[in-house]
Amino acid sequence: KAGVTQTPRYLIKTRGQQVTLSCSPISGHRSVSWYQQTPGQGLQFLFEYFSETQRNKGNFPGRFSGRQFSNSRSEMNVSTLELGDSALYLCASSLGGTLSSYEQYFGPGTRLTVT
Amino acid sequence: AQTVTQSQPEMSVQEAETVTLSCTYDTSESNYYLFWYKQPPSRQMILVIRQEAYKQQNATENRFSVNFQKAAKSFSLKISDSQLGDTAMYFCAFSMAGGAGNMLTFGGGTRLMVKP
Repeated sequence: KAGVTQTPRYLIKTRGQQVTLSCSPISGHRSVSWYQQTPGQGLQFLFEYFSETQRNKGNFPGRFSGRQFSNSRSEMNVSTLELGDSALYLCASSLGGTLSSYEQYFGPGTRLTVT
Repeated sequence: AQTVTQSQPEMSVQEAETVTLSCTYDTSESNYYLFWYKQPPSRQMILVIRQEAYKQQNATENRFSVNFQKAAKSFSLKISDSQLGDTAMYFCAFSMAGGAGNMLTFGGGTRLMVKP
């Protein structure tokens, strides 16, 4: 089975711009979660989507949003980029249903640099 | 809210020796999962081992085993016969169970260096 894929892998944006990151989960996985990883704050949960619905949300401003499509692929969007948004954005997928073991499988991440 | 604490920011071990990474957590939940994830330098995060809170038996995966002390809210990872490829950041993580969805709370990580 193919693993979780994320595109693009690297991105450089200017402050004030917006960005969209994409994640394709493992086939059969219906839950997609997003995390932000920075040296200062570590790994922080952004949000989770299951069956096209946001099921959980972390403590991030409204500039961070996401969505999930019917094929379980997910996108996250950051508007009005700030320098502090520079981070590695990780996507993780899991089965997500009632039989879920809650194991999450991570993609390689998108490295976003805001200048 | 749940918190996860890893008190050892960095550790080193000689190849072939055993090392234990510490993790404590705080939760009022009774049904949850605990995980150890490994993130090698510039590489993808991978799941090392999983423990269900309702299971008293400690999980084991080849050279990796955990010591789960539910009352003490402690979840340490033991790596036996350390190999150079074990060099990585290790993250302890917590997930509620029972329909709450998937949301991992991570500790700050322990950077492990395996020396030849």
